[in-house]
Amino acid sequence: DTGVSQNPRHKITKRGQNVTFRCDPISEHNRLYWYRQTLGQGPEFLTYFQNEAQLEKSRLLSDRFSAERPKGSFSTLEIQRTEQGDSAMYLCASIRGNPNTGELFFGEGSRLTVL
Amino acid sequence: EDQVTQSPEALRLQEGESSSLNCSYTVSGLRGLFWYRQDPGKGPEFLFTLYSAGEEKEKERLKATLTKKESFLHITAPKPEDSATYLCAVLSGGYNKLIFGAGTRLAVHP
Repeated sequence: DTGVSQNPRHKITKRGQNVTFRCDPISEHNRLYWYRQTLGQGPEFLTYFQNEAQLEKSRLLSDRFSAERPKGSFSTLEIQRTEQGDSAMYLCASIRGNPNTGELFFGEGSRLTVL
Repeated sequence: EDQVTQSPEALRLQEGESSSLNCSYTVSGLRGLFWYRQDPGKGPEFLFTLYSAGEEKEKERLKATLTKKESFLHITAPKPEDSATYLCAVLSGGYNKLIFGAGTRLAVHP
């Protein structure tokens, strides 16, 4: 399968714990995006990378969230001291070149439940 | 600030009953408007890109159109397998990220 891969698919954690999600984009896709989606809402932008550089981060993203993309390949999204409001689907997407075509390839997401 | 509003929130159709979904947008310099389909528990799947008013794109029973203020996704003679959430997104002037609407949940019943 050469699509975008996300792990784990599901994560249940207790409030205050740290969690990390991993995204493996399509090979040779230089741009990688993280989005968050809650029930009944569209995906909400979190951050994006061009190669290994993090070029934009949402103003809504608290300091508890951090993302990396070492060597411009896979990416990780870490949430520290999780809160119940962090419960959501975390989606990763990738695209080759500039995003003008709009054809982002999404993974199946990592669903986080914070108890 | 860029905004995308989709209506209706939910739509129930009988198989074969054609209808349209609406996406209205407010952006500073539209670089593209995009339609995605999302099945439950899955990531969004790309359908269409529209760049300028008057442009139309078709794929099977779906046709997307664009004006200066809104886009429509027309569904002709839908089938139950067309049931999904349809998301609209825009890419605006100075940014390199897609801004999504909340989506329209479509249910097509036999």
